Amino acid sequence: GEDVEQSLFLSVREGDSSVINCTYTDSSSTYLYWYKQEPGAGLQLLTYIFSNMDMKQDQRLTVLLNKKDKHLSLRIADTQTGDSAIYFCAESTRNTDKLIFGTGTRLQVFP
Amino acid sequence: ETGVTQSPTHLIKTRGQQVTLRCSSQSGHNTVSWYQQALGQGPQFIFQYYREEENGRGNFPPRFSGLQFPNYSSELNVNALELDDSALYLCASKEYEDYGYTFGSGTRLTVV
Repeated sequence: GEDVEQSLFLSVREGDSSVINCTYTDSSSTYLYWYKQEPGAGLQLLTYIFSNMDMKQDQRLTVLLNKKDKHLSLRIADTQTGDSAIYFCAESTRNTDKLIFGTGTRLQVFP
Repeated sequence: ETGVTQSPTHLIKTRGQQVTLRCSSQSGHNTVSWYQQALGQGPQFIFQYYREEENGRGNFPPRFSGLQFPNYSSELNVNALELDDSALYLCASKEYEDYGYTFGSGTRLTVV
């Protein structure tokens, strides 16, 4: 089946690292994505990783994939107040472009 | 034109009415998908169009229908609106070979 789960809320101090976790159930997932949604806005693609990769780094963002445990994480280094938003994990498979989203993790950054 | 533009931004309809939501994608984006995002939830896939034909559909009834036009614009139509149709509707587009979709800011539909 298709299911993506995330913790609902994360609160961090400005300057610390944030780690947002996600688990998925579809073993045929080919691509895994992280999207950011700010209040009143659509979804912004932050980064993605192929299922044959373990890690991907892009500036302050590091994505780790444990395919055996079907676990994906997003680490944001030096978290800023502008990073406060809802972060969605999503998967898609080789056969279809449709995205299966988690329920989102609300990241709150306090000074 | 860059980005994905949706209109209107907000809409209030009465139960039983019909609604059309519009999306304008950037040039070259021949694949468009529509998602429904209920309050506090992640987006749910409604359907996808590629070169003006539907080529994937989620668990939504036939009263949800769509169109894609050659000028990279598209529509989502919902007939016989129900209160549970109240949600943020997101349009997303890309070139077929790309990995990531570009999302619009959405249309907030309220059914009363």
